[in-house]
Amino acid sequence: AQTVTQSQPEMSVQEAETVTLSCTYDTSENNYYLFWYKQPPSRQMILVIRQEAYKQQNATENRFSVNFQKAAKSFSLKISDSQLGDTAMYFCAFMNTWGAQKLVFGQGTRLTINP
Amino acid sequence: ETGVTQSPTHLIKTRGQQVTLRCSSQSGHNTVSWYQQALGQGPQFIFQYYREEENGRGNFPPRFSGLQFPNYSSELNVNALELDDSALYLCASSWDRQNTGELFFGEGSRLTVL
Repeated sequence: AQTVTQSQPEMSVQEAETVTLSCTYDTSENNYYLFWYKQPPSRQMILVIRQEAYKQQNATENRFSVNFQKAAKSFSLKISDSQLGDTAMYFCAFMNTWGAQKLVFGQGTRLTINP
Repeated sequence: ETGVTQSPTHLIKTRGQQVTLRCSSQSGHNTVSWYQQALGQGPQFIFQYYREEENGRGNFPPRFSGLQFPNYSSELNVNALELDDSALYLCASSWDRQNTGELFFGEGSRLTVL
């Protein structure tokens, strides 16, 4: 079974700084998807970024980028020029390319951006 | 385009009771999944429905059951509620059951079992 581990329960940075959230996972699959989801106090999960394992190029979405290290089974999220609206819980998640669309989530990292 | 909507947003039940939670998928989506998120934890997959059929289930007992209707809306039913069922229940929808990735989540139903 796949597992996802986020080792940083909480992080706090100043506005405009860069922050990196860590995630490791375990799977025997060669192809899969990895995600970072954001959950603000409104509770709705919002997709931040997605990475397909067969693509070597790291995904980027504006201020958000990932460092995908397939051999190390590591998938970190970098937020550049952090903004107050980035304050939220961040979840790393895994999905197989077959079977049900089942997301396996990590425990989450609570990120606080301070003014 | 309307997003995923869930009802009720909050509810309180007592141990042993039954509860039904509802979800309206995003327009055009035919696949819906349910997740349980305990306080301070990541969501856990309960099950998924595709065109009214269950096509995947997580490690949850049979007292957790679901339905998907022809309009692709969905219900999650939990019988014989236990204290540990207290959680945020999230519904997510997507275009089809192919695992291309993105799920669209609702804001959840927070269930408290006393």
